[in-house]
Amino acid sequence: EVQLQQSGPEVGRPGSSVKISCKASGYTFTDYVMNWVKQSPGQGLEWIGWIDPEYGSTDYAEKFKKKATLTADTSSSTAYIQLSSLTSEDTATYFCARGYSSYIYVMDAWGQGASVTVSS
Amino acid sequence: DVQMTQSPSYLAASPGESVSISCKASKSISNNLAWYQEKPGKANKLLIHSGSTLQSGTPSRFSGSGSGTDFTLTIRSLESEDFAVYYCQQYNEYPPTFGSGTKLEIK
Repeated sequence: EVQLQQSGPEVGRPGSSVKISCKASGYTFTDYVMNWVKQSPGQGLEWIGWIDPEYGSTDYAEKFKKKATLTADTSSSTAYIQLSSLTSEDTATYFCARGYSSYIYVMDAWGQGASVTVSS
Repeated sequence: DVQMTQSPSYLAASPGESVSISCKASKSISNNLAWYQEKPGKANKLLIHSGSTLQSGTPSRFSGSGSGTDFTLTIRSLESEDFAVYYCQQYNEYPPTFGSGTKLEIK
């Protein structure tokens, strides 16, 4: 069974950074890209970007190019997203979601979400 | 970016009924549309991709239709487990974008 287990809730001060993890199991981690998606309180879903764990290549939505950094550790089958220079706009739930084979933007398995709260 | 407009935002129905959710794209996206289900405490679930292709494990009471700009998710004979929030997503144009969601509630 494919599972994506995300780390717990984070609280960050304005201007600081937080890093969320997403541990994959049940499949070969390097065979699929990992997408990241943001859900702001009461809002819809926004695609942040993806990482190809095999090559470390990444792609980001324009809005998140200076905000998010995606990395992956193949030895532990874990993907990470780091959010920097936090502001109140970053308070949200962040999901990792596996890209579905060649349809990389179709997300066939999701993590449970990790909440980030930005507060002083 | 392609704007995805879902309607209605809220829908109340009874078990056994059939419902339809609309998703309209701001430009043609061919059939490159997916539907997802969101339930509290559970990971989001991919229901349908390519407009009408049921993902493995999706019950046959779910169906998707449409192409171009207009798409519909239909759920026949609602079961209690179907009450959830549903999102459409286009992946024809970069970046992929989502609809704002439809909350299906028990009447």
